[in-house]
Amino acid sequence: KAGVTQTPRYLIKTRGQQVTLSCSPISGHRSVSWYQQTPGQGLQFLFEYFSETQRNKGNFPGRFSGRQFSNSRSEMNVSTLELGDSALYLCASSYAGDTQYFGPGTRLTVL
Amino acid sequence: QKEVEQDPGPLSVPEGAIVSLNCTYSNSAFQYFMWYRQYSRKGPELLMYTYSSGNKEDGRFTAQVDKSSKYISLFIRDSQPSDSATYLCAMRKGDYKLSFGAGTTVTVRA
Repeated sequence: KAGVTQTPRYLIKTRGQQVTLSCSPISGHRSVSWYQQTPGQGLQFLFEYFSETQRNKGNFPGRFSGRQFSNSRSEMNVSTLELGDSALYLCASSYAGDTQYFGPGTRLTVL
Repeated sequence: QKEVEQDPGPLSVPEGAIVSLNCTYSNSAFQYFMWYRQYSRKGPELLMYTYSSGNKEDGRFTAQVDKSSKYISLFIRDSQPSDSATYLCAMRKGDYKLSFGAGTTVTVRA
């Protein structure tokens, strides 16, 4: 069974721009969660989608948003990028939110 | 104070040694406990998933949960250089938001 895939793997953007990251979960999984990983803050939960609905949300500003499509694929958007948004963005897939399997991540660098 | 505390190390051990990792937590609402392994520039890989207090063994890995002390541990027996990675503890309540420790960097010397 194929694992979680994330695209792109690397991104370089400048301050003020916006970015969209994509995540394809494991086949049959209906829940997708997004996390931000930085050296200073570690892994922090952004939000979780289940059957196209946001079910949980972390403590991030409204510049961070996401959505999930009917095929369970998910996208995450960050608007008005700031230097502090530079991080590894990880997507985790699970059948219903329980056992979460992570993708390789998208490394975002904001200049 | 963070909800989940984990000593970041680094921890260096000789090949064949037992690696001992632990996390403490402050919120008694945490019910599910996990250990992930993360190699450099990769996503976290699930190693162990436990719910109840007690021990769970899988090959060279043993996870322990002590809910009364709010303390979880991971032991790696017969450690190998390929076990060199960052180990992250994670836990969640009834929702599906994982709270992670800072991660412990482990190096197993050949």
